[in-house]
Amino acid sequence: KQEVTQIPAALSVPEGENLVLNCSFTDSAIYNLQWFRQDPGKGLTSLLLIQSSQREQTSGRLNASLDKSSGRSTLYIAASQPGDSATYLCAVLMDSSYKLIFGSGTRLLVRP
Amino acid sequence: NAGVTQTPKFQVLKTGQSMTLQCAQDMNHEYMSWYRQDPGMGLRLIHYSVGAGITDQGEVPNGYNVSRSTTEDFPLRLLSAAPSQTSVYFCASRVGDGANVLTFGAGSRLTVL
Repeated sequence: KQEVTQIPAALSVPEGENLVLNCSFTDSAIYNLQWFRQDPGKGLTSLLLIQSSQREQTSGRLNASLDKSSGRSTLYIAASQPGDSATYLCAVLMDSSYKLIFGSGTRLLVRP
Repeated sequence: NAGVTQTPKFQVLKTGQSMTLQCAQDMNHEYMSWYRQDPGMGLRLIHYSVGAGITDQGEVPNGYNVSRSTTEDFPLRLLSAAPSQTSVYFCASRVGDGANVLTFGAGSRLTVL
Protein backbone atom coordinates (compact mmCIF):
# COMPACT_ATOMS: atom_id res chain seq x y z
CA LYS A 1 0.00 0.00 0.00
CA GLN A 2 1.34 3.37 -1.02
CA GLU A 3 2.13 5.77 1.82
CA VAL A 4 3.05 9.41 1.35
CA THR A 5 4.93 11.26 4.08
CA GLN A 6 5.76 14.94 4.41
CA ILE A 7 8.34 16.09 6.92
CA PRO A 8 8.40 18.47 8.71
CA ALA A 9 4.74 18.97 9.58
CA ALA A 10 5.40 22.68 10.16
CA LEU A 11 8.13 25.12 9.17
CA SER A 12 8.76 28.76 10.06
CA VAL A 13 11.32 30.83 8.12
CA PRO A 14 12.18 34.53 7.77
CA GLU A 15 11.20 36.32 4.59
CA GLY A 16 13.68 36.04 1.74
CA GLU A 17 14.96 32.60 2.63
CA ASN A 18 15.14 29.80 0.07
CA LEU A 19 13.49 26.67 1.39
CA VAL A 20 12.83 23.04 0.54
CA LEU A 21 9.76 20.99 1.38
CA ASN A 22 10.07 17.21 1.32
CA CYS A 23 7.74 14.45 0.20
CA SER A 24 8.51 10.74 0.29
CA PHE A 25 6.54 7.75 -0.99
CA THR A 26 6.94 4.04 -0.38
CA ASP A 27 6.05 2.61 -3.82
CA SER A 28 8.09 4.00 -6.70
CA ALA A 29 5.68 2.78 -9.40
CA ILE A 30 3.89 6.12 -9.64
CA TYR A 31 2.19 7.70 -12.65
CA ASN A 32 2.76 11.26 -11.52
CA LEU A 33 3.26 13.43 -8.46
CA GLN A 34 1.52 16.70 -7.75
CA TRP A 35 2.13 19.57 -5.35
CA PHE A 36 -0.79 21.59 -4.02
CA ARG A 37 -1.16 24.69 -1.90
CA GLN A 38 -3.96 25.11 0.64
CA ASP A 39 -4.76 28.41 2.32
CA PRO A 40 -6.68 28.34 5.64
CA GLY A 41 -10.37 27.61 5.10
CA LYS A 42 -9.90 27.22 1.37
CA GLY A 43 -9.65 24.43 -1.17
CA LEU A 44 -6.48 23.15 -2.77
CA THR A 45 -4.73 24.86 -5.66
CA SER A 46 -2.52 22.82 -7.97
CA LEU A 47 1.05 24.17 -8.13
CA LEU A 48 3.06 21.67 -10.14
CA LEU A 49 2.53 18.26 -11.69
CA ILE A 50 5.50 16.02 -12.52
CA GLN A 51 4.93 13.04 -14.77
CA SER A 52 6.84 9.85 -13.87
CA SER A 53 9.13 10.33 -16.88
CA GLN A 54 10.14 13.84 -15.77
CA ARG A 55 12.76 14.91 -13.27
CA GLU A 56 11.49 18.39 -12.45
CA GLN A 57 8.97 21.11 -13.17
CA THR A 58 9.28 24.85 -12.64
CA SER A 59 6.76 27.64 -12.21
CA GLY A 60 8.02 31.06 -11.25
CA ARG A 61 9.80 30.82 -7.88
CA LEU A 62 8.75 27.19 -7.47
CA ASN A 63 10.71 24.15 -8.59
CA ALA A 64 9.64 20.58 -7.94
CA SER A 65 11.93 17.61 -8.45
CA LEU A 66 11.17 13.92 -8.59
CA ASP A 67 13.43 10.95 -7.89
CA LYS A 68 11.32 7.84 -8.34
CA SER A 69 14.07 5.38 -7.49
CA SER A 70 14.53 6.86 -4.02
CA GLY A 71 10.83 7.63 -3.55
CA ARG A 72 11.37 11.34 -3.02
CA SER A 73 10.16 14.69 -4.28
CA THR A 74 11.14 18.16 -3.17
CA LEU A 75 9.45 21.52 -3.62
CA TYR A 76 11.94 24.36 -3.70
CA ILE A 77 10.65 27.87 -3.00
CA ALA A 78 13.06 30.68 -3.85
CA ALA A 79 13.12 34.02 -2.06
CA SER A 80 10.16 33.21 0.19
CA GLN A 81 7.51 35.86 0.87
CA PRO A 82 4.84 36.18 3.59
CA GLY A 83 2.26 35.44 0.88
CA ASP A 84 3.78 31.97 0.53
CA SER A 85 2.46 31.10 3.99
CA ALA A 86 0.09 28.15 3.52
CA THR A 87 -0.04 24.37 3.80
CA TYR A 88 1.71 22.51 1.00
CA LEU A 89 0.56 19.00 0.13
CA CYS A 90 2.03 16.45 -2.21
CA ALA A 91 0.03 13.63 -3.77
CA VAL A 92 0.93 10.64 -5.93
CA LEU A 93 -1.06 8.84 -8.59
CA MET A 94 -0.18 5.15 -8.90
CA ASP A 95 -1.36 4.71 -12.48
CA SER A 96 -3.54 6.51 -14.97
CA SER A 97 -6.52 5.70 -12.76
CA TYR A 98 -8.30 8.23 -10.70
CA LYS A 99 -7.03 7.93 -7.15
CA LEU A 100 -4.61 10.43 -5.69
CA ILE A 101 -2.89 9.52 -2.44
CA PHE A 102 -2.08 12.57 -0.34
CA GLY A 103 0.52 13.33 2.27
CA SER A 104 -0.61 15.15 5.40
CA GLY A 105 1.09 18.40 4.37
CA THR A 106 3.70 20.87 5.60
CA ARG A 107 2.39 24.06 7.17
CA LEU A 108 4.69 26.92 6.13
CA LEU A 109 4.91 30.29 7.86
CA VAL A 110 7.08 32.99 6.27
CA ARG A 111 7.76 35.72 8.83
CA PRO A 112 8.09 39.35 7.62
CA ASN B 1 -16.72 30.22 -15.34
CA ALA B 2 -17.34 29.45 -11.65
CA GLY B 3 -15.13 26.33 -11.46
CA VAL B 4 -16.17 23.85 -8.75
CA THR B 5 -18.97 25.04 -6.46
CA GLN B 6 -19.80 23.33 -3.18
CA THR B 7 -22.80 23.93 -0.95
CA PRO B 8 -23.32 24.33 1.93
CA LYS B 9 -20.06 25.75 3.31
CA PHE B 10 -20.98 24.84 6.87
CA GLN B 11 -23.45 22.32 8.31
CA VAL B 12 -24.21 20.95 11.76
CA LEU B 13 -26.09 17.66 12.03
CA LYS B 14 -27.27 15.45 14.82
CA THR B 15 -26.29 11.79 14.88
CA GLY B 16 -28.60 9.78 12.63
CA GLN B 17 -29.69 12.66 10.42
CA SER B 18 -29.18 12.53 6.67
CA MET B 19 -28.05 15.24 4.31
CA THR B 20 -26.60 15.89 0.88
CA LEU B 21 -23.49 17.89 0.07
CA GLN B 22 -23.80 19.46 -3.36
CA CYS B 23 -21.01 19.77 -5.93
CA ALA B 24 -21.32 21.38 -9.35
CA GLN B 25 -18.73 22.20 -12.01
CA ASP B 26 -19.13 24.18 -15.21
CA MET B 27 -15.94 23.07 -16.96
CA ASN B 28 -17.38 19.97 -18.66
CA HIS B 29 -14.98 17.76 -16.69
CA GLU B 30 -15.59 14.03 -17.01
CA TYR B 31 -13.97 13.14 -13.70
CA MET B 32 -15.38 14.25 -10.35
CA SER B 33 -14.49 13.13 -6.86
CA TRP B 34 -15.14 13.64 -3.17
CA TYR B 35 -12.42 13.78 -0.50
CA ARG B 36 -12.53 14.25 3.21
CA GLN B 37 -9.80 16.05 5.12
CA ASP B 38 -9.13 15.30 8.76
CA PRO B 39 -6.42 16.87 10.94
CA GLY B 40 -3.05 15.19 10.47
CA MET B 41 -4.38 12.71 7.90
CA GLY B 42 -4.27 14.53 4.59
CA LEU B 43 -7.09 14.01 2.11
CA ARG B 44 -8.75 10.65 1.60
CA LEU B 45 -10.85 9.70 -1.42
CA ILE B 46 -14.48 8.79 -0.68
CA HIS B 47 -16.07 8.24 -4.10
CA TYR B 48 -15.33 9.24 -7.65
CA SER B 49 -16.98 9.29 -11.07
CA VAL B 50 -15.48 9.16 -14.54
CA GLY B 51 -18.65 10.29 -16.29
CA ALA B 52 -22.43 10.52 -16.07
CA GLY B 53 -23.90 7.26 -14.82
CA ILE B 54 -20.53 5.88 -13.63
CA THR B 55 -19.37 5.95 -10.01
CA ASP B 56 -16.86 3.97 -7.97
CA GLN B 57 -15.61 3.71 -4.42
CA GLY B 58 -12.48 5.30 -3.10
CA GLU B 59 -10.53 4.66 0.08
CA VAL B 60 -13.23 5.48 2.67
CA PRO B 61 -16.70 4.96 1.08
CA ASN B 62 -18.65 3.55 4.04
CA GLY B 63 -21.56 5.72 5.16
CA TYR B 64 -21.65 7.74 1.92
CA ASN B 65 -23.59 7.44 -1.32
CA VAL B 66 -23.09 9.21 -4.63
CA SER B 67 -24.79 9.41 -8.01
CA ARG B 68 -23.88 11.12 -11.27
CA SER B 69 -26.96 11.82 -13.38
CA THR B 70 -25.38 14.76 -15.24
CA THR B 71 -21.85 15.78 -16.17
CA GLU B 72 -22.13 18.92 -14.03
CA ASP B 73 -23.33 17.56 -10.68
CA PHE B 74 -21.93 15.03 -8.21
CA PRO B 75 -23.81 15.09 -4.86
CA LEU B 76 -22.54 13.26 -1.78
CA ARG B 77 -25.18 11.79 0.51
CA LEU B 78 -24.73 10.95 4.17
CA LEU B 79 -27.39 8.36 4.96
CA SER B 80 -27.19 8.36 8.77
CA ALA B 81 -24.62 10.81 10.06
CA ALA B 82 -22.13 9.72 12.72
CA PRO B 83 -19.66 11.81 14.77
CA SER B 84 -16.83 10.06 12.87
CA GLN B 85 -18.05 11.86 9.74
CA THR B 86 -17.19 15.24 11.22
CA SER B 87 -14.72 16.56 8.69
CA VAL B 88 -14.08 19.00 5.87
CA TYR B 89 -15.29 17.67 2.55
CA PHE B 90 -13.81 18.67 -0.79
CA CYS B 91 -15.14 18.08 -4.28
CA ALA B 92 -12.63 18.05 -7.13
CA SER B 93 -12.85 17.60 -10.88
CA ARG B 94 -10.60 17.32 -13.89
CA VAL B 95 -10.70 16.66 -17.60
CA GLY B 96 -9.48 13.31 -18.86
CA ASP B 97 -7.19 11.03 -16.88
CA GLY B 98 -4.65 11.46 -14.12
CA ALA B 99 -2.22 13.33 -16.33
CA ASN B 100 -4.30 16.44 -15.76
CA VAL B 101 -4.55 18.56 -12.64
CA LEU B 102 -7.49 18.53 -10.25
CA THR B 103 -9.60 21.64 -9.61
CA PHE B 104 -10.92 21.77 -6.06
CA GLY B 105 -13.97 23.40 -4.56
CA ALA B 106 -13.69 25.58 -1.44
CA GLY B 107 -14.88 22.83 0.88
CA SER B 108 -17.84 22.04 3.13
CA ARG B 109 -17.26 21.83 6.88
CA LEU B 110 -19.55 19.28 8.51
CA THR B 111 -19.99 18.77 12.24
CA VAL B 112 -21.98 15.81 13.54
CA LEU B 113 -23.04 16.07 17.19
